[in-house]
Amino acid sequence: TAGITQAPTSQILAAGRSMTLRCTQDMRHNAMYWYRQDLGLGLRLIHYSNTAGTTGKGEVPDGYSVSRANTDDFPLTLASAVPSQTSVYFCASSDSTGGVETQYFGPGTRLLVL
Amino acid sequence: GQNIDQPTEMTATEGAIVQINCTYQTSGFNGLFWYQQHAGEAPTFLSYNVLDGLEEKGRFSSFLSRSKGYSYLLLKELQMKDSASYLCAVRDSNYQLIWGAGTKLIIKP
Repeated sequence: TAGITQAPTSQILAAGRSMTLRCTQDMRHNAMYWYRQDLGLGLRLIHYSNTAGTTGKGEVPDGYSVSRANTDDFPLTLASAVPSQTSVYFCASSDSTGGVETQYFGPGTRLLVL
Repeated sequence: GQNIDQPTEMTATEGAIVQINCTYQTSGFNGLFWYQQHAGEAPTFLSYNVLDGLEEKGRFSSFLSRSKGYSYLLLKELQMKDSASYLCAVRDSNYQLIWGAGTKLIIKP
């Protein structure tokens, strides 16, 4: 199985432009997450979804929006990009099999906002 | 506030043993995770502790003391492929993961 896929792999974006980062999982996991990873900082949660049709705000949600129309897809949209959104973005999903609820990560999208 | 502390970088020799420490202060505790992340790649799950004590999995072991807010990851018989960052994460009272900045482990021959 593919697990979690993300697209694009990398992108250079002009400030003020909008962009959607795509994330798809084929593991039928209920929960999905978007993180950003910046040098010297831990992964920071942007938005999450515990199940299809519901979303929630994480630690750093400003400037980002998400939707969860179905179990498999969890796109992240930047409405008007700013240079501080330059980062590596990871999508993750988890299930609660055995109670551990391990998160599995996609390969990441490297975004440069100029 | 919530805080996860790990050393920024450690160096060890191939074949040796290294211990990576993690201390945490979080609002609630519902388990501690260790992930491995090679440069330019995604984090991958290594271990999970929710009760005090040692969990062993091959060359890797993870220890937890909830009363001390402390965990460590022990890597034995180090191999060059173990060169990576090791991320400590705690699941808080809201069942969200709070992540440390990671420890970059450099293995020398």
